Amino acid sequence: QQQVKQSPQSLIVQKGGISIINCAYENTAFDYFPWYQQFPGKGPALLIAIRPDVSEKKEGRFTISFNKSAKQFSLHIMDSQPGDSATYFCAARNNNNAGNMLTFGGGTRLMVKP
Amino acid sequence: NAGVTQTPKFRILKIGQSMTLQCTQDMNHNYMYWYRQDPGMGLKLIYYSVGAGITDKGEVPNGYNVSRSTTEDFPLRLELAAPSQTSVYFCASSYTRTATNEKLFFGSGTQLSVL
Repeated sequence: QQQVKQSPQSLIVQKGGISIINCAYENTAFDYFPWYQQFPGKGPALLIAIRPDVSEKKEGRFTISFNKSAKQFSLHIMDSQPGDSATYFCAARNNNNAGNMLTFGGGTRLMVKP
Repeated sequence: NAGVTQTPKFRILKIGQSMTLQCTQDMNHNYMYWYRQDPGMGLKLIYYSVGAGITDKGEVPNGYNVSRSTTEDFPLRLELAAPSQTSVYFCASSYTRTATNEKLFFGSGTQLSVL
């Protein structure tokens, strides 16, 4: 049972366009929502994260939009560049966890065409 | 700092063989994790540890064992390899669970094939 559902599985965007990746969750105990970026042959790396008490967070060309009532959040990449081509994972953390472990979505493979 | 180091990078096992995936971190993190990554399935937590001597099961622990004798090392053991364990394995670490230090640091992964 996937607690964090991510879509689409793959995405092709032209250079300069907007890439949008969506995630939905069921567990209301989630209290922290990061996005990780993974390049081929590498481990995931934290890109940007948001807490449910804010509706939007922006860092450079990357923005998270968060809708608490709908239990959805999304990543927007403005002015997408070929260097953004990677796999993106949304994730969520359960505030009841003893540890700091995350539940990940299935991933989105983004390709930005020059 | 080297961060999180995993060895080996690649390995092919025969069904029924055993092996240990090594993971070490030099950031003095208390928390360490093992995830497996399968296509389209994201990363699934296998085991985690909140400190030396303390380990606990994650979402998919069957067929695996871990130990945490030191803060730095968190090896993952496969006792009787099965084709279903063909995957990419990632070790990660993080600071204790606070409001300001929530970043997971991942190693570069071990690609394992069981044939």
